[in-house]
This record gives sequence, structure tokens and C-alpha cells, in this order.
Amino acid sequence: KNQVEQSPQSLIILEGKNCTLQCNYTVSPFSNLRWYKQDTGRGPVSLTIMTFSENTKSNGRYTATLDADTKQSSLHITASQLSDSASYICVVSPNQGGKLIFGQGTELSVKP
Amino acid sequence: GAVVSQHPSWVICKSGTSVKIECRSLDFQATTMFWYRQFPKQSLMLMATSNEGSKATYEQGVEKDKFLINHASLTLSTLTVTSAHPEDSSFYICSASFPGTDTDTQYFGPGTRLTVL
Repeated sequence: KNQVEQSPQSLIILEGKNCTLQCNYTVSPFSNLRWYKQDTGRGPVSLTIMTFSENTKSNGRYTATLDADTKQSSLHITASQLSDSASYICVVSPNQGGKLIFGQGTELSVKP
Repeated sequence: GAVVSQHPSWVICKSGTSVKIECRSLDFQATTMFWYRQFPKQSLMLMATSNEGSKATYEQGVEKDKFLINHASLTLSTLTVTSAHPEDSSFYICSASFPGTDTDTQYFGPGTRLTVL
């Protein structure tokens, strides 16, 4: 069964600190993996997208990694800001044009 | 990036009434639009996929007569929740993909919060 599991479920960190969110998937075949940021009461916004051959992708303070062999991905946030407080969702596409498989998200709270 | 809007952003209605939610692609023509539902602390759940000018494809367990989807143009899709009940209260999000890209490249709208009293 195609599944995407994220950990931790929630995370609280202090402003300025770094953090890493995890995503494990059992999706096959695999086309690409995306990380989205979803602010409360808003739609998801894409942060990064990686295909099978890509190991890392950065977008400002966000750096995503992908290990297609172990089917794991991580999202690293450096020098966190209060505005980083949101839900971060890992989304895997099983094949081009197929349905997206969503993780349940990690709720990040950055405190001053 | 591509912009998708939704209207209204929130709506409160009485049980038994119908509510229409609009999803528009503002700067591109959307080949396909998707409707998702999201309950608190849960991820998005695909309800249906619609292509312009054709009937929507509903996911298993989603009542097509209750959630009416119309995709009359390449820039507008509507979701009508008919005879809404409190259990229909949720966050409804649409997304759109456009010609020349795969449907796994979706641009999400800001969502509509529906509360049924």
C-alpha cells in the first residue's frame, strides 16, 4: 500500500534554532517528492521538489534531502523564524499524472 | 508561480442548506482541477478530480450527489455541498494543474472553511 509517514507529529523549537523533519514513504513506482508548507487556515505552498536522481534541494533556509534507496526524505530548516510556524507536509507522486500521496504533516511551532 | 484563488474563504451555513465554493486559476488555464477536504490535524484527502467540460471523477466514498462539481471553463471549477450537515464542516482546498505539465504539479488555493450549524 502506498503510504507516506512523517515524524515527528509535532515539534516546538526556539527562534533561531535549526530543526529536521522526517518523511518515510512506501510508494512505488516513484516519480517525485515534494515538501509543502501549510500555514493555519491556508492552502499548501510548495517548498521543494525532488526526483529520483536528486539527493538534495535547497530553497533559502529550507534544505530537503532524498534517499531513494531507503525511501527517506528530510527537510532541514536553519535559523528558524516565528513565521516558520506551520504544518509541513511531505507529498509523494507515484507516477507522472497519478494521485498524490500525502503525509499527515509535522506541526512546527517556533517560539520566541 | 501560478495563482489559484478560492471564494469564499470561509462560510457558515445552517444545516440543510447548500453551499457553493469557487476555485479559479488566475493566471493560467487549468487542464485539471482537484478538490480536497482537510479535517483538523489531518492531511488533505482527495475528493474528486475534474477536467474542463467533462464529469468529475470522484474518489471512493465521496458522494457525487452530495458534492456537486462543475468545471465549466478552464479557469473556474465549483464545488457545491448540497444539503449540508454538521459533519460536512471542514476545510475545502482546490488545486489546479495546467497544460504542458503533469497533473502531479498542482497549485493549491488558499482553502475555504465551511462550518455547518
